[in-house]
Amino acid sequence: QVQLLQSGPVVEKPGASVKVSCKASGYTFNRYGITWVRQAPGQGLEWMGWISSYSGKAEFAEKFQGRVTLTTDTSTNIAYMELRSLGSDDTAVYYCARTVTRYTLFGAVPSGDFNYYIDAWAQGTLVTVSS
Amino acid sequence: ENVLTQSPGTLSLSPGERASLSCRASQSVSNTYLAWYQQKPGQAPRLLIYGASTRATGIPDRFSGSASGTDFTLTITRVEPEDFAVYYCQQYGISPFGPGTRLEIK
Repeated sequence: QVQLLQSGPVVEKPGASVKVSCKASGYTFNRYGITWVRQAPGQGLEWMGWISSYSGKAEFAEKFQGRVTLTTDTSTNIAYMELRSLGSDDTAVYYCARTVTRYTLFGAVPSGDFNYYIDAWAQGTLVTVSS
Repeated sequence: ENVLTQSPGTLSLSPGERASLSCRASQSVSNTYLAWYQQKPGQAPRLLIYGASTRATGIPDRFSGSASGTDFTLTITRVEPEDFAVYYCQQYGISPFGPGTRLEIK
């Protein structure tokens, strides 16, 4: 069965960086993308960005451009999200999620991969930013 | 950036009633490029609907989705006790989630 398992909760100081991992199993990793979503306490879902496991191309929400790095390791089926220059407003649960893409559905993407919808979620990782 | 607006913010219903949740996009993308997610407290979200109207695997048929231009609707024909949760819509591509509709027990 499809499973996404994230690394454990972390506490970081303002200005630091955090790197969250997401281990995928139960499916062919490079057939799907990975999207990262966060949720601050009591707030809604915030889409951060996604990465094509097929091409390695990543796209980001404008507010995270330049501050987030998304990577995948297809040899270990692990996706990573690194967020830099943390502030207190980065305190949130961070989710990785399996994403159906153009490549997932059609196999050939001469025009580039494209993210459709999320069909499986990990359990989330609480990142607390506090001095 | 495409902005999604969801209404109402909170919907108070009794079990057995019909729920109608709205999601409106600020820009016209394909009217099938939308998904709905359900989130219960303390849990990760769950996919309900993709392609605007296709139920995900295991989703009961009381859930349905429809689209008309930039307006999308999630309908629950008869709300069950386990349906009280927050519902989010999201368009495909580089797109934020809508702010969510909280479905609460009346």
